[in-house]
Amino acid sequence: GQQVMQIPQYQHVQEGEDFTTYCNSSTTLSNIQWYKQRPGGHPVFLIQLVKSGEVKKQKRLTFQFGEAKKNSSLHITATQTTDVGTYFCAGSGIKGSGYALNFGKGTSLLVTP
Amino acid sequence: DTGVSQDPRHKITKRGQNVTFRCDPISEHNRLYWYRQTLGQGPEFLTYFQNEAQLEKSRLLSDRFSAERPKGSFSTLEIQRTEQGDSAMYLCASSLLGQSNTGELFFGEGSRLTVL
Repeated sequence: GQQVMQIPQYQHVQEGEDFTTYCNSSTTLSNIQWYKQRPGGHPVFLIQLVKSGEVKKQKRLTFQFGEAKKNSSLHITATQTTDVGTYFCAGSGIKGSGYALNFGKGTSLLVTP
Repeated sequence: DTGVSQDPRHKITKRGQNVTFRCDPISEHNRLYWYRQTLGQGPEFLTYFQNEAQLEKSRLLSDRFSAERPKGSFSTLEIQRTEQGDSAMYLCASSLLGQSNTGELFFGEGSRLTVL
């Protein structure tokens, strides 16, 4: 089963509103990755975070890795309809899982104009 | 197209039959992963290879599932005696081993299995 928890499961926002999804692991992660999956599509890599407390930005997207390397967040500023999709975090180095990348259940984002 | 390719894209089979999926990774990638995804869920790890060696296999994976990567290039995933619960999208991904020991995964379009 999944060892990485994500909340919320769904989020419906009006275009222009902000959006945040959170990812938590019970064990320390060596790194965390974020992926986006459009409806009917396959997961597409967004970013990888490796260092404790790391913050990375990609245009309107801000990614954070917690100090304890057990949690992460993705924040989208001023959502657009093109942001629609499911956002997954995936953790590596979870105890007992070697280097396999284990995905959370994802947060599905719906943006209405 | 130099991305990850999977074949077949769709497979419908009857319960009890065997099925095999093929994955051709990006040519220079040394790691290959198999995941399973059902509706509303995240990709569930099945197994991964580094070159031809199968380094990890999910403890939850039934022994009806077997995967190979005989020459460190393409891989096959076989499911024997399929059950209705095996119906899912089977995703293959490849990556290049990096300093963090986890490179960016490049996913294929997936092979959708329906077991009747």
